[in-house]
Amino acid sequence: KAGVTQTPRYLIKTRGQQVTLSCSPISGHRSVSWYQQTPGQGLQFLFEYFSETQRNKGNFPGRFSGRQFSNSRSEMNVSTLELGDSALYLCASSLSALNTEAFFGQGTRLTVV
Amino acid sequence: DAKTTQPPSMDCAEGRAANLPCNHSTISGNEYVYWYRQIHSQGPQYIIHGLKNNETNEMASLIITEDRKSSTLILPHATLRDTAVYYCIVRVGPEGGGKLIFGQGTELSVKP
Repeated sequence: KAGVTQTPRYLIKTRGQQVTLSCSPISGHRSVSWYQQTPGQGLQFLFEYFSETQRNKGNFPGRFSGRQFSNSRSEMNVSTLELGDSALYLCASSLSALNTEAFFGQGTRLTVV
Repeated sequence: DAKTTQPPSMDCAEGRAANLPCNHSTISGNEYVYWYRQIHSQGPQYIIHGLKNNETNEMASLIITEDRKSSTLILPHATLRDTAVYYCIVRVGPEGGGKLIFGQGTELSVKP
């Protein structure tokens, strides 16, 4: 069965622009989480969605937002991009919001110039 | 903040067992221990998890001490492809949802 799909894989944006990243979870998975990975801060939790509702949110500014659709696909948006937003953005899907393993996508590499 | 402490790096000879330790002295009764690994520039990969009993699957074994304050991930016969950063994560039960708090992990280098 297909894994977690993230698009696009690579993206270059200019400071001040906004960006939307997409994540298609494994079929049947209803929980989607987003993470930011940078060399300095490591892997940091952004937010989690389950059945179109945000369940958890990490400590990121309001410029970072997300949503989940009825088919469990999720998008995250970053507005007014800053150089420090350059990172690998990872999406993970789980069967439910309970204690099950999360499956990660390959990530979207965002570079802000 | 991450609730786990791991050594920053370890080496292991190919074919030998790799034993990766993790301290989680503040773990609560309903918190599970999860292990993930991340091979360079790829998404993290789930390895194994447990609550208090030792667990084994096709990838690894997880040994949790009786007081649950520490655990060890064992890769029985390490190969070069096991070179990766290994993350030990303490995760709350169902009420914690899907949130994973990653620490800095252990960078395992498997050498020929």
